[in-house]
Amino acid sequence: AQSVTQLGSHVSVSEGALVLLRCNYSSSVPPYLFWYVQYPNQGLQLLLKYTSAATLVKGINGFEAEFKKSETSFHLTKPSAHMSDAAEYFCAVSEDNQGGKLIFGQGTELSVKP
Amino acid sequence: DAGVTQSPTHLIKTRGQHVTLRCSPISGHKSVSWYQQVLGQGPQFIFQYYEKEERGRGNFPDRFSARQFPNYSSELNVNALLLGDSALYLCASSLGYRGNNEQFFGPGTRLTVL
Repeated sequence: AQSVTQLGSHVSVSEGALVLLRCNYSSSVPPYLFWYVQYPNQGLQLLLKYTSAATLVKGINGFEAEFKKSETSFHLTKPSAHMSDAAEYFCAVSEDNQGGKLIFGQGTELSVKP
Repeated sequence: DAGVTQSPTHLIKTRGQHVTLRCSPISGHKSVSWYQQVLGQGPQFIFQYYEKEERGRGNFPDRFSARQFPNYSSELNVNALLLGDSALYLCASSLGYRGNNEQFFGPGTRLTVL
């Protein structure tokens, strides 16, 4: 069965520091992986997705993620945090044999200190 | 172009009542999915519809039902509301129903059950 684990429910970084949000997945078939961001009282916005092309995926707002099959990981990074990056981040997995069903992790709240 | 729209934005109901939530997908999108997001957790998949047919159902009781109309808009119905149904209900649309399709989320409907 599919599952997603996000390590750390809350991550705090200083402005300008590296952002690293961890995501590990479990899937019985090659997965599709997604990172979404959610600002307070809003819906989810797609940051980036992995759909079996390049393993290093670049997204919006300077974020990128690397698919590592051997580690079943899809960690999200950004070289330099900005105050506007403060939000909730969700990693999600889907499989072709499950249709468009997205399985989400529990989320990581990112705080950015000035 | 308009994104995914949902109505109403907020809703307060009492236990035992019935509620209908509505979703209009992005123009050209034929798939609509519904998710429940309880405070502090990641979204959980409820239903997916494609071309008016149910393509997937999550682990929710039969009190939850949905349908998709010829114009691809969708309704989520919940009967006999329980306190635990209080959540943000998110609708997402995509071009197709397979796992690699990007899902675009609406702003959600906040349901409070008293």
